[in-house]
Amino acid sequence: AQTVTQSQPEMSVQEAETVTLSCTYDTSESDYYLFWYKQPPSRQMILVIRQEAYKQQNATENRFSVNFQKAAKSFSLKISDSQLGDAAMYFCAYRSPNTGNQFYFGTGTSLTVIP
Amino acid sequence: DAGVIQSPRHEVTEMGQEVTLRCKPISGHNSLFWYRQTMMRGLELLIYFNNNVPIDDSGMPEDRFSAKMPNASFSTLKIQPSEPRDSAVYFCASSSRLAGLGELFFGEGSRLTVL
Repeated sequence: AQTVTQSQPEMSVQEAETVTLSCTYDTSESDYYLFWYKQPPSRQMILVIRQEAYKQQNATENRFSVNFQKAAKSFSLKISDSQLGDAAMYFCAYRSPNTGNQFYFGTGTSLTVIP
Repeated sequence: DAGVIQSPRHEVTEMGQEVTLRCKPISGHNSLFWYRQTMMRGLELLIYFNNNVPIDDSGMPEDRFSAKMPNASFSTLKIQPSEPRDSAVYFCASSSRLAGLGELFFGEGSRLTVL
């Protein structure tokens, strides 16, 4: 089974600064999908950004962008101009199109934004 | 569009009682997932369905847990009898391979407390 690793249990960033959350995964598949989800204190999981493995271009959604390194099996999330509302738990997720739509989640990174 | 709808939002019950959690997926989504989240174990996949058929229930803790999806618009997760260690937030999520990258859309979760 695929595994997703988030090696940073906690991170902090000063408001308006940039922070990068790391995610690595293990797979033998060539085609797959990657996601970052945000879980604020309200607890609902919200999709932040998504990436198709066969696309070289890194996905961007406003202040959120990814650094996708397929060969290194790395999928980091960069948050620019951090805001207080970015404080949350962030989960990296892998979706396999070949195992019945199965998803694999990392253990999460708790992000604190310092005013 | 209505998102994934879960009920109840909160449930407090006593050990030994039956608990039923309900989920209405997004219309048109053909996959439905039940997750459990605790501080100790993080986000765990319990079971998922494709086209109302259970595909993988290996995450269901034990026979006390059961899940059904009688039709495309409704699923239940039942715990009978409940135990204090079942206390957690239970998330339902749905997805469609025909929408986006098949990303998961989560409900707001059901917080279960078993006394």
